[in-house]
Amino acid sequence: ETGVTQTPRHLVMGMTNKKSLKCEQHLGHNAMYWYKQSAKKPLELMFVYNFKEQTENNSVPSRFSPECPNSSHLFLHLHTLQPEDSALYLCASSPRLGNTGELFFGEGSRLTVL
Amino acid sequence: GESVGLHLPTLSVQEGDNSIINCAYSNSASDYFIWYKQESGKGPQFIIDIRSNMDKRQGQRVTVLLNKTVKHLSLQIAATQPGDSAVYFCAEITGIQFYFGTGTSLTVIP
Repeated sequence: ETGVTQTPRHLVMGMTNKKSLKCEQHLGHNAMYWYKQSAKKPLELMFVYNFKEQTENNSVPSRFSPECPNSSHLFLHLHTLQPEDSALYLCASSPRLGNTGELFFGEGSRLTVL
Repeated sequence: GESVGLHLPTLSVQEGDNSIINCAYSNSASDYFIWYKQESGKGPQFIIDIRSNMDKRQGQRVTVLLNKTVKHLSLQIAATQPGDSAVYFCAEITGIQFYFGTGTSLTVIP
């Protein structure tokens, strides 16, 4: 148990569906992240939030829309996805931005786009 | 951009033997490095970290070695156990950016 909880753990959606991934951290951290993990590829940073403000959008297509209502919650809204978006989406948190310590990861949401 | 790679995508070791997993990084300005372990169906978990002002750091059954001259990082696992079977990947941290390797899949043979 890392203190970062992601739901749902598995999601199957069609290309025309709209769904959301949820992440909640119970660690009192101020920075939260979305990463995409595809087979045989390094983790790809998607979005970074620091004190609820987005500080990084790593050229992510607009069909992925993040939302951070407070420092403990992070959402990833999905719409009109493509099959190549199928991947494991990992949420992470850290006390603050910077190389002050590790990232704490959730278990991930396994997304399959049909 | 950053390039963090591993020398071998897979590694099989006999239970009880020592394992060595390697990682090469490209940015000599990176000042912090982390090894993560990811078991099947789970998120990455922190194993051990090291800062650039150190050459070696030891944890419980794990040791990380940093060779800044050749920009090489290694993870040594002593007396490998079946529970060590997982994907291991390194992270190179420069400023606020984390760069991850692709991972080495470690299989422990009973």
